[in-house]
Amino acid sequence: EADIYQTPRYLVIGTGKKITLECSQTMGHDKMYWYQQDPGMELHLIHYSYGVNSTEKGDLSSESTVSRIRTEHFPLTLESARPSHTSQYLCASSSTRQGPTYQETQYFGPGTRLLVL
Amino acid sequence: GNSVTQMEGPVTLSEEAFLTINCTYTATGYPSLFWYVQYPGEGLQLLLKATKADDKGSNKGFEATYRKETTSFHLEKGSVQVSDSAVYFCALSSGGSNYKLTFGKGTLLTVNP
Repeated sequence: EADIYQTPRYLVIGTGKKITLECSQTMGHDKMYWYQQDPGMELHLIHYSYGVNSTEKGDLSSESTVSRIRTEHFPLTLESARPSHTSQYLCASSSTRQGPTYQETQYFGPGTRLLVL
Repeated sequence: GNSVTQMEGPVTLSEEAFLTINCTYTATGYPSLFWYVQYPGEGLQLLLKATKADDKGSNKGFEATYRKETTSFHLEKGSVQVSDSAVYFCALSSGGSNYKLTFGKGTLLTVNP
């Protein structure tokens, strides 16, 4: 069972507020990812990290920012929330040390459902 | 670039029916293929995977075979249960320096008693 945690699970917040979504994993994985999931289910990669002090933009442009100061922690921040940010946000992690190949399995957290009013 | 096309849903079945969810892919190199499942209100869980051609992944009665000649990785289960109701995602990773997953759009399965 994967040990990856996200808090809060649910968040309702007003427009203009700053929010931080937390993601932590206890597996020592070097890579971490943030996905945004549409109400229609489709997943979009918005940020990823190869390791400490590494962050990259994903395939979908996002106004959020991320940081990776510690291996186990990959928080996502929205400086000024808007209704268009309403979505589910999923965090995942993976490791190059999983086996003899580079075909890595990503492990997902339970997600944060964000509603911006 | 990489892409995954999976059967659009929703799929509605009766308990004990046979399930197939089609998945085809386009990728460079030799990708690994995955099926993830998302139960209501939860994150994604790895259901099964296959890392090379002709490999069969299996778990919880689900199976999928990596078919390189047809670039497919169809998910099957012989007898579905109500508890299998979830969204199923097909995904690929082309590995090497590209460790990002490419997902299909997801297929919602509902199993009625």
